[in-house]
Amino acid sequence: GAVVSQHPSWVICKSGTSVKIECRSLDFQATTMFWYRQFPKQSLMLMATSNEGSKATYEQGVEKDKFLINHASLTLSTLTVTSAHPEDSSFYICSASFEDLGGNEQFFGPGTRLTVL
Amino acid sequence: AQSVTQLDSQVPVFEEAPVELRCNYSSSVSVYLFWYVQYPNQGLQLLLKYLSGSTLVKGINGFEAEFNKSQTSFHLRKPSVHISDTAEYFCAVRGGNYKLTFGKGTLLTVNP
Repeated sequence: GAVVSQHPSWVICKSGTSVKIECRSLDFQATTMFWYRQFPKQSLMLMATSNEGSKATYEQGVEKDKFLINHASLTLSTLTVTSAHPEDSSFYICSASFEDLGGNEQFFGPGTRLTVL
Repeated sequence: AQSVTQLDSQVPVFEEAPVELRCNYSSSVSVYLFWYVQYPNQGLQLLLKYLSGSTLVKGINGFEAEFNKSQTSFHLRKPSVHISDTAEYFCAVRGGNYKLTFGKGTLLTVNP
């Protein structure tokens, strides 16, 4: 149980285009979803936290107009990288959690590798 | 606010040897502690977590960790490693706001 999927697993796009990444909780309803960014050989940096039906909360330094997050349902959140540039190339990982007695564990997706040419 | 320090960026060991990956944290509130493993080009998989209760926590794949409040540590151990344990390991702490703060990771390399 508690499976999270991401689509696509990898994407290559041209500079200036927009890319959408989907994050789905397959077998549970996620009250909260998180988006992380990971540079090569580095740790995960939280970009934003989203709750279903409300605006995402962005971490300091993350451009909300560039990284659009939509959490339309309890099983789907999307991250759109707008007007992508080579410096946006990275590994993007989402996680999902639900209210429980187990510490609100976050379940992670497999990640999406974005390469901007 | 909380922070996590993983003291070793790389740990090379031989197969069947014991290993300890060190993690120290700081927080002004009670925390939950986690260890995750990441294989190349994959997401994170939970190894184990400490929420409360017994300070010795057992996880998957034969890993265990001990929560030491006085030393603010949560070191990960395995008595005998396998080649397949080669991966990046992340220690993380979660405070009251449900956000996870990760350490920088430790690359465990198991050599034959």
